[in-house]
Amino acid sequence: KAGVTQTPRYLIKTRGQQVTLSCSPISGHRSVSWYQQTPGQGLQFLFEYFSETQRNKGNFPGRFSGRQFSNSRSEMNVSTLELGDSALYLCASSWDRPQNTEAFFGQGTRLTVV
Amino acid sequence: KNEVEQSPQNLTAQEGEFITINCSYSVGISALHWLQQHPGGGIVSLFMLSSGKKKHGRLIATINIQEKHSSLHITASHPRDSAVYICAAAAQGNLIFGKGTKLSVKP
Repeated sequence: KAGVTQTPRYLIKTRGQQVTLSCSPISGHRSVSWYQQTPGQGLQFLFEYFSETQRNKGNFPGRFSGRQFSNSRSEMNVSTLELGDSALYLCASSWDRPQNTEAFFGQGTRLTVV
Repeated sequence: KNEVEQSPQNLTAQEGEFITINCSYSVGISALHWLQQHPGGGIVSLFMLSSGKKKHGRLIATINIQEKHSSLHITASHPRDSAVYICAAAAQGNLIFGKGTKLSVKP
């Protein structure tokens, strides 16, 4: 069974640009969660989607947004990039809420903003 | 104060040693997750527990709900166990993560 696939793996963007990251969950999983990992803050929850609806959102500015498609694939978008957005972005899929079921993580997308 | 605290931050052990990593949390939780992250970023879920104790091979996780504390133990540690171990509290509708414990096991 294929794991969680994130694309691209690496990305370099300039301040002010926008970026879209993709996450394909494990087949059958309807929940996709996104996390940001930085050396200073560690892992932080961004948002969770379930059956195309955002079910929960972390404490991030509105520049961070996401969506989920009918096939459960999810994208997250960051607009007007700032240097501080440089991070590893991880998604995780699970069959229900990630806090109460085992979550399967992708390899992450490493975003560098210059 | 962080809602989820891990200790130690860094841990160096000799192959074969018994390892303990601690996680304390200050919020009400529905479950506690232990995750393993290898260099390169990929995260693997090791355990999810809401009470008692779970064991997978050489790894054991325990949780004490009354004391709001969980431990991850590794018996007979091996260099391939070298990784960052992260605990995450399931609370407030999402996961709240500890800062991680970087474990290095020397042969």
